[in-house]
Amino acid sequence: DVKVTQSSRYLVKRTGEKVFLECVQDMDHENMFWYRQDPGLGLRLIYFSYDVKMKEKGDIPEGYSVSREKKERFSLILESASTNQTSMYLCATANSGDKYSNQPQHFGDGTRLSIL
Amino acid sequence: AQSVSQHNHHVILSEAASLELGCNYSYGGTVNLFWYVQYPGQHLQLLLKYFSGDPLVKGIKGFEAEFIKSKFSFNLRKPSVQWSDTAEYFCAVNAWGDFNKFYFGSGTKLNVKP
Repeated sequence: DVKVTQSSRYLVKRTGEKVFLECVQDMDHENMFWYRQDPGLGLRLIYFSYDVKMKEKGDIPEGYSVSREKKERFSLILESASTNQTSMYLCATANSGDKYSNQPQHFGDGTRLSIL
Repeated sequence: AQSVSQHNHHVILSEAASLELGCNYSYGGTVNLFWYVQYPGQHLQLLLKYFSGDPLVKGIKGFEAEFIKSKFSFNLRKPSVQWSDTAEYFCAVNAWGDFNKFYFGSGTKLNVKP
């Protein structure tokens, strides 16, 4: 069974801290995504990566950065956490073999992050 | 930028009732369309997708969706819902010219009463 594993289900951090959210996949997918999910707003794309060391900004990249040093791991970094970054964070993967679409195919369980 | 609208934020139905969840998008070009479902306590999963061809798409668990290009809509339907369909449903759009970006709607919470 395919797996997208996010390192923590729940995380509590303080304002100003540097926060790392990790995502590991075992499907050898090229594309990986980080979304945040907020009530009434759906999912919003923060960053995505289509290959090792490659990244592109999504719709709401401010306050975040990412790292993809290995194909299976995609990390989301909150450089200096703020209370408005309290949210559910979802990692997803996609196989770039589909010519017409790279839709997120497999999602992790999510990390519920609270910034105090 | 594209946007996806789901006008029903919360829908409550009794078992065996018919379901239709609305989804409209704003993009003039060719799009791929998707519905995802998130059951309570579970991760998001793909319900169905439309790339091209027959605008009536059938997905898992008896769901279907119809792409109406003139209305920029991709509504999700099920003739008879079950209690186990209680979940949050997300519509998503992906444009051919912007294929690495996905735009999700705000979601519709469906509550099916037994």
